[in-house]
Amino acid sequence: DGGITQSPKYLFRKEGQNVTLSCEQNLNHDAMYWYRQDPGQGLRLIYYSQIVNDFQKGDIAEGYSVSREKKESFPLTVTSAQKNPTAFYLCASSPGTSGINTGELFFGEGSRLTVL
Amino acid sequence: GESVGLHLPTLSVQEGDNSIINCAYSNSASDYFIWYKQESGKGPQFIIDIRSNMDKRQGQRVTVLLNKTVKHLSLQIAATQPGDSAVYFCAENILNDYKLSFGAGTTVTVRA
Repeated sequence: DGGITQSPKYLFRKEGQNVTLSCEQNLNHDAMYWYRQDPGQGLRLIYYSQIVNDFQKGDIAEGYSVSREKKESFPLTVTSAQKNPTAFYLCASSPGTSGINTGELFFGEGSRLTVL
Repeated sequence: GESVGLHLPTLSVQEGDNSIINCAYSNSASDYFIWYKQESGKGPQFIIDIRSNMDKRQGQRVTVLLNKTVKHLSLQIAATQPGDSAVYFCAENILNDYKLSFGAGTTVTVRA
């Protein structure tokens, strides 16, 4: 089945460590996104990529890094510079950034990161 | 700050009743609106959308109403079922912009 796969589903990290969250899609979508979700808040955009080898910062990019070496993959690294990394992280994709105007934003199941 | 918000963070509904979830937005330039449903521990799923040139759109058991005058959006769920228990988000977008702005969400709990 086509879809978006995020891994791991749960991750624990010690302070000062970097951690990378995986996001893979087999929908042949051009655009991919990373959102952060905190309790009682809406989704906030961290980074997005419209095409391979290109990505842009979202609203809360500080302390995060991404890469887009392949169309199918958009990993997110939460670095030690992120002051409050404990959150639920959601990856999404769309056929293109124009696809966002047709509601075609498909989400993965999320990765819950807890910093100990 | 956020440009999209929901009036109530929680809503408790009796099974079989209709649910109404409200959302206010502040960006008058927004021209596309979406409702998502997020079940516990899962990613959001698309429910229904509406463009600013419409004021009502119906889907299966759901209706979205848009009032541009007061910048208000609502989602109505008919004959609410236990499977409707979830967090509901509204989101807005400006045409040709890459970014969706999400509200904080309303948690709907269906009572048996």
